[in-house]
Amino acid sequence: DAGITQSPRHKVTETGTPVTLRCHQTENHRYMYWYRQDPGHGLRLIHYSYGVKDTDKGEVSDGYSVSRSKTEDFLLTLESATSSQTSVYFCAISELAGPNYGYTFGSGTRLTVV
Amino acid sequence: QKEVEQNSGPLSVPEGAIASLNCTYSDRGSQSFFWYRQYSGKSPELIMSIYSNGDKEDGRFTAQLNKASQYVSLLIRDSQPSDSATYLCAVAKAAGNKLTFGGGTRVLVKP
Repeated sequence: DAGITQSPRHKVTETGTPVTLRCHQTENHRYMYWYRQDPGHGLRLIHYSYGVKDTDKGEVSDGYSVSRSKTEDFLLTLESATSSQTSVYFCAISELAGPNYGYTFGSGTRLTVV
Repeated sequence: QKEVEQNSGPLSVPEGAIASLNCTYSDRGSQSFFWYRQYSGKSPELIMSIYSNGDKEDGRFTAQLNKASQYVSLLIRDSQPSDSATYLCAVAKAAGNKLTFGGGTRVLVKP
């Protein structure tokens, strides 16, 4: 997707290992989000950021941490991967706060924990 | 009760017909409503947003919002096979810009 890239696109990792997913944007948007998508659950918010070093938890934050040291990068870390964290992870960006602005999503990272 | 609910489908419609998708939400403080389309294996893409009661039209798409009844709908006119996808309803609460998504409705348009 233009202006927002996620890496890696696919990853297989072992249970108990730490994993970091990267979201990089070139739009200079202030707001960034990490969601996971699972069958039957739709998209669920993990963590979000409203500026450099300003982050907050979403509804499914347990087992995840994030960091944002630069406007363009938002990292999601699975501290000790579990099979329940097998999912597709989407990063999203938004230009402005307030309820009237939708998101632009990255292409997603498919993570498999074995 | 989920915050945003959609019928998972699949909703099967013949080519050229109108596809009607519904979404209900539980938080009366919700202010903004979005419809995203997601093709299999791809990321969601925004197709419509609506903020006020009534209808909003954009090409073949019409979004309808009824805050009193807490539902938002999407009509797809002259459905095409390329409209076959999962449609996600998303709702923004009064505070901040976090979107809450429904589980999506899968639409199949048959030639």
